[in-house]
Amino acid sequence: DIVMTQTPLSSPVALGQPASISCRSSQSLVHSEGNTFLHWLQQRPGQPPRLLVYEISNRFSGVPDRFSGSGAGTDFTLKISRVEAEDVGVYYCMQGTQFPYTFGQGTKLEIK
Amino acid sequence: EVQLVQSGAEVKKPGSIVKISCKVSGYTFKDYYLQWVRQAPGKGLEWVGLIDPEHGKTTYAVKFQGRVTITADTSTDIAYMELRSLTSEDTAVYYCVPGTPGYWGQGTLVIVSS
Repeated sequence: DIVMTQTPLSSPVALGQPASISCRSSQSLVHSEGNTFLHWLQQRPGQPPRLLVYEISNRFSGVPDRFSGSGAGTDFTLKISRVEAEDVGVYYCMQGTQFPYTFGQGTKLEIK
Repeated sequence: EVQLVQSGAEVKKPGSIVKISCKVSGYTFKDYYLQWVRQAPGKGLEWVGLIDPEHGKTTYAVKFQGRVTITADTSTDIAYMELRSLTSEDTAVYYCVPGTPGYWGQGTLVIVSS
């Protein structure tokens, strides 16, 4: 199985400041067809997860442009340019390249 | 509008079986794989398996093989996940998720307790 490792596991950030979450996979996430199925999810307290970014850097419908994704191969990053109060929650990276699909452990974003 | 409506919460005894449903609308059911993901209380996300509704082909996480069955009824656009030989460690919220995980069901809480 591909292991997804996120850092940090907890991130206190002041409002208006940037935040960054790293995700590293134990194998390349480049699919044989050329796509890289690395996604970022946000889970607010008490809610189902919500897709923020798919295939490394594509923002999903309705996601604010302060969220951006980057990376390649085995190393990926989610950045929030200016943290807002509604961004509090747990962020997960997920790989959909190889079965079984796997998730990172989650990074808890809180306001400092 | 894509909607995934899951069946209600379940309380089960250890060793029993649970079957959860997921009714989809707003997209062509056959066009996207349908995954099941679970989340134990206070824990992270865990992938259970998926089905290709058009062909009925399934893929399961090794951890659940032999204990889980995912099916899809293309006449009603409903997917099902059956989990057998339940233990307390199966207590979790179970989500159905089509394709690239842009849409999630509301979740079904399964509690396994004697």
